[in-house]
Amino acid sequence: SAVISQKPSRDICQRGTSLTIQCQVDSQVTMMFWYRQQPGQSLTLIATANQGSEATYESGFVIDKFPISRPNLTFSTLTVSNMSPEDSSIYLCSVRDSSYYGYTFGSGTRLTVV
Amino acid sequence: TQLLEQSPQFLSIQEGENLTVYCNSSSVFSSLQWYRQEPGEGPVLLVTVVTGGEVKKLKRLTFQFGDARKDSSLHITAAQPGDTGLYLCAELQGNKLVFGAGTILRVKS
Repeated sequence: SAVISQKPSRDICQRGTSLTIQCQVDSQVTMMFWYRQQPGQSLTLIATANQGSEATYESGFVIDKFPISRPNLTFSTLTVSNMSPEDSSIYLCSVRDSSYYGYTFGSGTRLTVV
Repeated sequence: TQLLEQSPQFLSIQEGENLTVYCNSSSVFSSLQWYRQEPGEGPVLLVTVVTGGEVKKLKRLTFQFGDARKDSSLHITAAQPGDTGLYLCAELQGNKLVFGAGTILRVKS
């Protein structure tokens, strides 16, 4: 199955600043997905990142707040902009694994905004 | 978007006990996946069920898919502390994986 490297693994940031999270996959994938997981809760899809086109955002998430880049088939970034304490969450990237019907996830980025 | 309901939200049991986690929807699932997430890690796929009435076993874990494909259950026999984690059911809706609310399982030794 695909192997995903996500970094940073955690960060503590000041409110009003931005953080960019990187996701590197060891194989080429068409779509990459970004999720948010608030403390003690399930995963919510933020957006789907396709190479060569703009990301598709889910209801409640906007590009100005969560800009995404997808420069090639193995890499994507998610930026959390103008952060507030409410953005404190775990952010995970994911890809659909072609070897089976499951999805593979990175280990996540634990973000704390103070 | 179809909503997936999971129950219970939280389960704390002693080592050796059995438990069942449920995942339900008012609509038919195309297929259903179960994931387990441990602290500091992303979710890891346990199983995919596709056919109504299907039963799959993974060591001490038994997964059932309802005949009408509107519900699924995960049964763990003789739970161990290593089973502790967040259990999530999820459905593939188009290309997107949509998760249930999750069940936090804590197994005490």
